Amino acid sequence: NAGVTQTPKFQVLKTGQSMTLQCAQDMNHNSMYWYRQDPGMGLRLIYYSASEGTTDKGEVPNGYNVSRLNKREFSLRLESAAPSQTSVYFCASSSGLYNEQFFGPGTRLTVL
Amino acid sequence: GEDVEQSLFLSVREGDSSVINCTYTDSSSTYLYWYKQEPGAGLQLLTYIFSNMDMKQDQRLTVLLNKKDKHLSLRIADTQTGDSAIYFCAVARGVVTFGIGTKLQVIP
Repeated sequence: NAGVTQTPKFQVLKTGQSMTLQCAQDMNHNSMYWYRQDPGMGLRLIYYSASEGTTDKGEVPNGYNVSRLNKREFSLRLESAAPSQTSVYFCASSSGLYNEQFFGPGTRLTVL
Repeated sequence: GEDVEQSLFLSVREGDSSVINCTYTDSSSTYLYWYKQEPGAGLQLLTYIFSNMDMKQDQRLTVLLNKKDKHLSLRIADTQTGDSAIYFCAVARGVVTFGIGTKLQVIP
């Protein structure tokens, strides 16, 4: 049981490049989330998916897109990376919106 | 939207009790959580409390909820060096809103 896995662990991009962050969970959870963590800002919700086939914007969705590929996988795409998107990105999952969230180990992204 | 506030830093001596405080704005929050983040890792749930409870105890952890003042606290008894981490308060009404985290430093 791996829990929540994220790839890659580290990534450096140049401004304007695109990339997709991958997330998968093996706990049969309905809900999945993408957060970014910045110093002094805590965790901010980018997008979430309450169930397979649905996605909703969180607090800071601009510059990102998501895909809930199936129940296990939830990806985050940066179409044209900007230095302001330098951050640590966490994926999480839960069995329901109010339930305990299980977090992945994070992706450390630097945009130059 | 919901605001969740925490102090940034707390330093305690090993063996003492630690108390981490949190205030929130939405009185209709239903679940309140404490998560722990160790360096280089994701967050891990420590404990949670329902909004209809005042207190919850789990081994060395005690959570107190004052709904009137919208104040949540986490007490760690007999704090150990392994408790050094960032502690996040989080409240749920719909989606979960996290505080900025309190860094706990335990001095041996």
